[in-house]
Amino acid sequence: DTAVSQTPKYLVTQMGNDKSIKCEQNLGHDTMYWYKQDSKKFLKIMFSYNNKELIINETVPNRFSPKSPDKAHLNLHINSLELGDSAVYFCASSEGGGIYNEQFFGPGTRLTVL
Amino acid sequence: AQSVTQPDIHITVSEGASLELRCNYSYGATPYLFWYVQSPGQGLQLLLKYFSGDTLVQGIKGFEAEFKRSQSSFNLRKPSVHWSDAAEYFCAVGARPGSARQLTFGSGTQLTVLP
Repeated sequence: DTAVSQTPKYLVTQMGNDKSIKCEQNLGHDTMYWYKQDSKKFLKIMFSYNNKELIINETVPNRFSPKSPDKAHLNLHINSLELGDSAVYFCASSEGGGIYNEQFFGPGTRLTVL
Repeated sequence: AQSVTQPDIHITVSEGASLELRCNYSYGATPYLFWYVQSPGQGLQLLLKYFSGDTLVQGIKGFEAEFKRSQSSFNLRKPSVHWSDAAEYFCAVGARPGSARQLTFGSGTQLTVLP
């Protein structure tokens, strides 16, 4: 039974489109994250939610809008996609928001913007 | 701000050989240190972490890492590599007090294991 799942696994789309990535965790965690892994494999945090409340919002363009309908779900909607948005996006969850709490990662969504 | 460097982009070892993956960090105080592994098509999985205390930490899958303050290093080791260890390995450093936004990842080391 997958702990942190993401859909879709692959997403290929044209510039200017709007797309969403969904994330669900069944670990009962109260904190969820979105990370972006660029082409050089650097992983950088984008957002974090704790109990559906946004607690981390890094310098991410406002074309990116996370939404947490409940503790178990954190979705990422991206408007007006640009070439530079091509990356692998990882969802993660943890029990508590500090980095001393182990984060469990989903398998990633590879987004390609053409 | 903290930073982390993984000098080796790609390492190849034979199955059964020992392994050491290097990680160097830059931070003004004792950081939180982590090693993650990413298998193909999978998310990152925590191998081990160091917060304080004993500088030699044991992790899952037979891995260990040693924090050396004088060298600002946190190298990952395994005495005998298995074919299933082939993956990407990421070192990460976290600044205190430890908000998730203070976690910085290295660019990874790809490990290939030869039969």
